[in-house]
Amino acid sequence: DGGITQSPKYLFRKEGQNVTLSCEQNLNHDAMYWYRQDPGQGLRLIYYSQIVNDFQKGDIAEGYSVSREKKESFPLTVTSAQKNPTAFYLCASSTPKEQYFGPGTRLTVT
Amino acid sequence: AQTVTQSQPEMSVQEAETVTLSCTYDTSENNYYLFWYKQPPSRQMILVIRQEAYKQQNATENRFSVNFQKAAKSFSLKISDSQLGDTAMYFCAFMKIRNQFYFGTGTSLTVIP
Repeated sequence: DGGITQSPKYLFRKEGQNVTLSCEQNLNHDAMYWYRQDPGQGLRLIYYSQIVNDFQKGDIAEGYSVSREKKESFPLTVTSAQKNPTAFYLCASSTPKEQYFGPGTRLTVT
Repeated sequence: AQTVTQSQPEMSVQEAETVTLSCTYDTSENNYYLFWYKQPPSRQMILVIRQEAYKQQNATENRFSVNFQKAAKSFSLKISDSQLGDTAMYFCAFMKIRNQFYFGTGTSLTVIP
């Protein structure tokens, strides 16, 4: 079955630690995205990538980093510089006509 | 800049009744796509319906239909015969060419038995 996987579903980290969220897709899509979701704020774009080895900052990229070494994979690193990292993170990929989402990762930093 | 506005943070509807969720957007583009996504308590984002801006005919998917007013930049979602499983957060989204998506802040819909 084609789709997007994100792991793990729940992630807990101590403040000051970097953490990497996984996102893998087997839909053969060129474009991939990372969103952050907070209550009452909808989806905010962190980073997106239109093609392998290329990515652009979204609206809230500060404190985050990404890589796109393979078409299938677009991992997101939440660094210690991100002041409020606790949130729900959604990965997506898209065709020119539609966006597909993974199940999300809930990150809690204490 | 593109923006998507959903002015109804919360709505409720009686089971089997009809409800309309509002969405407006702002863009200078002429070719684009509009979407409604549903996010149930599982938090999985599910595509409900898609509208292509160059098509004048309103999109429909079973109990879901849209009222697309391009000149007014309005894109409302009508849910007919509401079911308990329709309880979810609904997001309006805009996509312009080159795969850039923009989302509204969402409307939380509760279907009351």
